Amino acid sequence: AQSVTQPDIHITVSEGASLELRCNYSYGATPYLFWYVQSPGQGLQLLLKYFSGDTLVQGIKGFEAEFKRSQSSFNLRKPSVHWSDAAEYFCAVGLLTGANNLFFGTGTRLTVIP
Amino acid sequence: EPEVTQTPSHQVTQMGQEVILRCVPISNHLYFYWYRQILGQKVEFLVSFYNNEISEKSEIFDDQFSVERPDGSNFTLKIRSTKLEDSAMYFCASSVGGGGANIQYFGAGTRLSVL
Repeated sequence: AQSVTQPDIHITVSEGASLELRCNYSYGATPYLFWYVQSPGQGLQLLLKYFSGDTLVQGIKGFEAEFKRSQSSFNLRKPSVHWSDAAEYFCAVGLLTGANNLFFGTGTRLTVIP
Repeated sequence: EPEVTQTPSHQVTQMGQEVILRCVPISNHLYFYWYRQILGQKVEFLVSFYNNEISEKSEIFDDQFSVERPDGSNFTLKIRSTKLEDSAMYFCASSVGGGGANIQYFGAGTRLSVL
């Protein structure tokens, strides 16, 4: 079945530590891939996207993500987390043909401790 | 920076009542969407709207739901007779174009609580 999976519901990291949030997808062809972040009281903000080309993509706020076709993964990383990164992170896919809508994972809530 | 605006931020209603959730998409965008997120679950697509008509809808979007673009700026979601299970966060989004590669810009959401 088609799906987007974020296996980690909640992650806690110390400020300054590195971060990796996992995302796996299951679709017939490689979809368009997105990471969104939602801070409290805010809308979903696009962090980065992958359509094609270089498999390591850079986003805003110092985030990057790596597409690995063999693993059907698009994991989000940041080398050094800041307290302001505490938020909910959503992986999403857009299909190559047909639907206009995005398909989301369940989200990962990130807590940052001093 | 242009943004999608949603009002109200929180709506409380009694079961069986009608609610209208409002959104102002980004002004030069042509595609509009509604998604919802029930607490603890995935963000789910409800409907997309283009050229003054529904372009796609999910199985969640049944006859109780309707969308409208009543003027040049607003995009509304109406739930005709709310049920307890309609309690969720509702997100509006807009994009310049359609298709999976178009970046969708989201509002902050309206939290609907049905009592």
